[in-house]
This record gives sequence, C-alpha cells and structure tokens, in this order.
Amino acid sequence: QVQLQESGPGLVKPSGTLSLTCTVSGTSIGRTSFYWGWIRQAPGKGLEWIGSIYYSGSAFYSSPLKNRATISVDTSKNQFSLNLSSVTAADTAVYFCARAEWARQFGEITYYFDFWGQGALVTVSS
Amino acid sequence: EIVLTQSPGTLSLSPGEGATLSCRASQSIDRNFLAWYQQKPGQAPRLLIYGASSGARGIPDRFSGRGSGTDFTLTISRLEPEDFAVYYCQHYGASPITFGQGTRLDIK
Repeated sequence: QVQLQESGPGLVKPSGTLSLTCTVSGTSIGRTSFYWGWIRQAPGKGLEWIGSIYYSGSAFYSSPLKNRATISVDTSKNQFSLNLSSVTAADTAVYFCARAEWARQFGEITYYFDFWGQGALVTVSS
Repeated sequence: EIVLTQSPGTLSLSPGEGATLSCRASQSIDRNFLAWYQQKPGQAPRLLIYGASSGARGIPDRFSGRGSGTDFTLTISRLEPEDFAVYYCQHYGASPITFGQGTRLDIK
C-alpha cells in the first residue's frame, strides 16, 4: 500500500522559508512513472495545487507560486520536498503531499491525485 | 484557466437517500478529464472518481460519476453515515489544473 507522510516545522516566521518533506513508502519514487505533488488548503478553504515533480527532477508549478516555490526529489531517500520562500500569513495552510497520475495535455503535464499524505499544518506567524 | 463551480454549496440529506452533486466548468474539459474527491474533517482528500466516470480502487459502487464537456455530476445512490463530508471536483484536461470550491454534504 502506497503511503505518504509530510514532515517539517509547524511554525514559520513571516518572510522566512517554509520547508516540508514527504516520505513515501510502499513504492519507489525512482522506479515508477508517477509525478509527486504538493497541494495546500488554507483554514476553512478549498484545495490549491502548488506544484509537482517527476523522479528525474522535472518540476512544474502553479503560476501564482512559481516564483516562490521549489520542489526537489531525493530518490535515494524516497522523499520529495517543498520550499516556499518569503512566506506571509496567507501561506498558513495544511500542506498535503500526494502521488499524481499524469497525462500530457496540449503539450503540458496535468494530474489527478490518487494517494495523499495526512497533511501538515504550517502556521506563518511571528 | 478553467474555473469549476460546484453546486449546491451545501446539501442536507438523510441516510438512505440519494445525492447528486454538480460540477460545471467555464470551458469544455478535454477528454472528460475530471476527478472527484471526498474529504472528511481533519483528513486528506480521497480520490473517488477519475476520467469523469471511472471509480478509483476500493470505492463503493454507490458512488458514480458522469458527464462531459462542461457539466459533470457525482451521484451517491444510497447515503451511508460515513458519506457525509465535503466533495471536490478537479479537472486535469489542461494546465493549470484547478479544483472546485466544494459541496458540503450534511446529515439532515
């Protein structure tokens, strides 16, 4: 059974960098043709895709966050990570990592998410 | 960017009843690439349906999806107590992918 688990600080200061890691078990990131994604959910709000990465390191980001988000992958540890810089209170959210089934649509990669981590609440506050 | 509008915002029903949730897209979704998720409080979303009508692994057959173009529905044939949750649609027919705002299914 595929399992994902987010880890990282639950509190980040404004203007700092949010860093989260997703550890995957039950499958190997480097041996399967899935993308791996980050999605967030502000308190009481809906879901927002942040970005996704392939085991090769090829990553794609949502337009609103592409200048602040960096996703990386470490296949030796079966992990992928999210860094989000220059955070503000608006970045307070539960951050989910997930496995993504993907397709190539109009020359770009699109996804839906079949396995999710339980989520990690990150609060941005001084 | 394709905007997904879900209706109703809240649906109040009793166990045993049937539920129909709607997801309307601002433009046609290519290849009917639409997914549905269920989210319970404090939990991650769970994939129910992909490709508008294909059931994800382990999902009870009382959940079904249909639709094409801009109009999609999720139907729950006989509500069980554990089905009361928030439901989201998500398209992956083009980049960027987007989610609907959700429909809350409450116990009446």
